[in-house]
Amino acid sequence: AQSVTQLGSHVSVSEGALVLLRCNYSSSVPPYLFWYVQYPNQGLQLLLKYTTGATLVKGINGFEAEFKKSETSFHLTKPSAHMSDAAEYFCPRRGGTASKLTFGTGTRLQVTL
Amino acid sequence: NAGVTQTPKFRILKIGQSMTLQCTQDMNHNYMYWYRQDPGMGLKLIYYSVGAGITDKGEVPNGYNVSRSTTEDFPLRLELAAPSQTSVYFCASIPVEDGANVLTFGAGSRLTVL
Repeated sequence: AQSVTQLGSHVSVSEGALVLLRCNYSSSVPPYLFWYVQYPNQGLQLLLKYTTGATLVKGINGFEAEFKKSETSFHLTKPSAHMSDAAEYFCPRRGGTASKLTFGTGTRLQVTL
Repeated sequence: NAGVTQTPKFRILKIGQSMTLQCTQDMNHNYMYWYRQDPGMGLKLIYYSVGAGITDKGEVPNGYNVSRSTTEDFPLRLELAAPSQTSVYFCASIPVEDGANVLTFGAGSRLTVL
């Protein structure tokens, strides 16, 4: 079965430090991949998506992700963390019929002073 | 306001009670989904619908029912509430013509079963 693995359920970084959230997927064909962010007590917002074409994808709020087929990875990065980046992050993939999204377990990002 | 609207935002149920979580979208999206979110588990798909009159089970359908009589509405029903159904529920939708599948999510409904 196609799946998504997010490495690290909790990640803590200092404000101004690099943010790296890891996501690996299992698939025999290139997938559609996404990163969503969930702020406390809110729904999910799209950060960025990879469909086809350029493997380095830029999203909102300074985030970007690179699709690496050889590593089956789609890690999310941001050069300099801000306190407002504290949230939970998900990297679902599209798969199967009806365009369903399969989610990983999520990574909670904590940003400290 | 365009988007996905969920009601209620919060609800406490007793074991064995029934209730319906409402979901409405005004974007004329054909595909709609119900997910539940539990701490450390990510989101799991409960049911989905590809259009009015068509529904199908997701990963975790037991204890739930859905209907889709109109394009706009996709209610989720819990017939006999159990503590295991304590969760946050999200409704989402996409237009069928969107090949990149950017789901629009509602704000969520937090359900507690005691």
